[in-house]
Amino acid sequence: LAKTTQPISMDSYEGQEVNITCSHNNIATNDYITWYQQFPSQGPRFIIQGYKTKVTNEVASLFIPADRKSSTLSLPRVSLSDTAVYYCLVGDRDSGGYQKVTFGIGTKLQVIP
Amino acid sequence: ETGVTQSPTHLIKTRGQQVTLRCSSQSGHNTVSWYQQALGQGPQFIFQYYREEENGRGNFPPRFSGLQFPNYSSELNVNALELDDSALYLCASSLARTGLGPYEQYFGPGTRLTVT
Repeated sequence: LAKTTQPISMDSYEGQEVNITCSHNNIATNDYITWYQQFPSQGPRFIIQGYKTKVTNEVASLFIPADRKSSTLSLPRVSLSDTAVYYCLVGDRDSGGYQKVTFGIGTKLQVIP
Repeated sequence: ETGVTQSPTHLIKTRGQQVTLRCSSQSGHNTVSWYQQALGQGPQFIFQYYREEENGRGNFPPRFSGLQFPNYSSELNVNALELDDSALYLCASSLARTGLGPYEQYFGPGTRLTVT
């Protein structure tokens, strides 16, 4: 499985755009990039998933360059409620549906008023 | 549509004992995965079940075992508890489907296990 590297922590002021970059130099051809958000004492929550270029949904955007060795999660205009740990995962699933996904330590985002 | 639920919320056990944790998957989901999350760490994959059969396992010893039932609820059993087993145990359900990429997983709130 490809290893991911993220900053351990980030601070941002409320209302700003936050970009969290994840490095995955050994990403395999069939691997997808997935991001999860976790609040204290809760299970992780799916944010977004992509394979290449740019993906956008109602809460975030995911930018993936052509070489796919990194990806950037973009959170527009963060609020205090976005304070959480953000995990970048790289992986695939086989024909049997098996998906062995690996969570790293994650990035702890602190939004400041 | 109900979400993923887990029971109990908290549990205290003594070293050497056995424990069973339970998970009720989101309605319609046929795949369940279990994770162990130590304090300050990311979740570590234990195993995955699809239609009542284990189809993937992480680096956990055989004393970690599981079951998935016809109604897609599941159990995680841990025998011979060790102090290092103290952690938050998370259950995640998903719907296996055609297409590409890992499935979106829906996590429960977890069971906090303390081994003394």
